Amino acid sequence: SAVISQKPSRDICQRGTSLTIQCQVDSQVTMMFWYRQQPGQSLTLIATANQGSEATYESGFVIDKFPISRPNLTFSTLTVSNMSPEDSSIYLCTGLAGGHNEQFFGPGTRLTVL
Amino acid sequence: GENVEQHPSTLSVQEGDSAVIKCTYSDSASNYFPWYKQELGKGPQLIIDIRSNVGEKKDQRIAVTLNKTAKHFSLHITETQPEDSAVYFCAASWFSGGYNKLIFGAGTRLAVHP
Repeated sequence: SAVISQKPSRDICQRGTSLTIQCQVDSQVTMMFWYRQQPGQSLTLIATANQGSEATYESGFVIDKFPISRPNLTFSTLTVSNMSPEDSSIYLCTGLAGGHNEQFFGPGTRLTVL
Repeated sequence: GENVEQHPSTLSVQEGDSAVIKCTYSDSASNYFPWYKQELGKGPQLIIDIRSNVGEKKDQRIAVTLNKTAKHFSLHITETQPEDSAVYFCAASWFSGGYNKLIFGAGTRLAVHP
């Protein structure tokens, strides 16, 4: 199984600012996924990040608000831009190796926006 | 698109009893069904999964069953222990945009009382 690490593990931010979350996988993966988990809720897919192409966003999520980078096969970043208290959530990333279905989650980044 | 419903939302059992969590999905093309366990303050952990060509899978005290005709799958935990207390999420794969995404159920909060 792939091991996922994220930085930061948690942060408290002021509204109107931006935060970039880093995700590192210990092996090369074809796709990386970013999820949001609002307090007490389930996991919602934000976008899929492929190397060398723009991320694909799910309904309700836009690139201006959640820009994503994927510079290589083991790393991705998600930026939460112009934050508001409604962005307070856990943000999680996963990786998917080619030919496999299993997605392994990291510990997530716990974001609180004041 | 795919929709996954999960029941019950909360489940309380006595230590040693069995626990069953049920999920239904809408897209008959879904072919991969993982279950995740999320403990407080941690990311979701993949505990078992099943593919559409299999009707049942067991791993020690955990088993998953799949009924493709009825489009539902279930998680069975036998001889529950206090450390099984957590939130459990089911998910179903949904092929869209050239790859499989995961759509998650709303989660079940399991409490095992000593």
